[in-house]
Amino acid sequence: SQTIHQWPATLVQPVGSPLSLECTVEGTSNPNLYWYRQAAGRGLQLLFYSVGIGQISSEVPQNLSASRPQDRQFILSSKKLLLSDSGFYLCAWSVAGVEQFFGPGTRLTVL
Amino acid sequence: AQSVTQLGSHVSVSEGALVLLRCNYSSSVPPYLFWYVQYPNQGLQLLLKYTTGATLVKGINGFEAEFKKSETSFHLTKPSAHMSDAAEYFCAVSEGGSYDKVIFGPGTSLSVIP
Repeated sequence: SQTIHQWPATLVQPVGSPLSLECTVEGTSNPNLYWYRQAAGRGLQLLFYSVGIGQISSEVPQNLSASRPQDRQFILSSKKLLLSDSGFYLCAWSVAGVEQFFGPGTRLTVL
Repeated sequence: AQSVTQLGSHVSVSEGALVLLRCNYSSSVPPYLFWYVQYPNQGLQLLLKYTTGATLVKGINGFEAEFKKSETSFHLTKPSAHMSDAAEYFCAVSEGGSYDKVIFGPGTSLSVIP
């Protein structure tokens, strides 16, 4: 069966510090991968998606970047965090145009 | 372009009462439709989905939804609310295909009153 992992689960970082969030998927090959952000009391905002290794598409201009160094690994990064980067970050995967499966999320607080 | 609206950002029901969460969508092609549930500080869990075929879809935890093309709606219902149903609910639409971009609605927070 398929499993999706995200770490860390929670993170508190100072403004201006770097960020690296990791997402890995097990039990499937060549998934589509997604990063979403959910601000407090808000819906989901799609940040990045990837249909293959090294293929990243950005949905909104922002302070973040994403990379996919391996088939089942998706990384969200920032060189310098802003206060507005705080939120709940969700990774998701899908195959063949049906539903997306979500990871447990990372709660990021930027102080 | 696809979009999803959910009427009511917050819905309160009494325990044992009917749950009705509304969702309307717009799509230029026959859509795939989904309902997800999110408990506090957790990821989203799929409740049910409509792709093709029967328009009344049954999901987990006693929830069901009906796809009504003429009304462009996909409302979520449950006959009798339980305390454990209190959560955030998201309706979503996708046009499917090899790149399955999903558009999520803003969410409805469901409270269940004892």
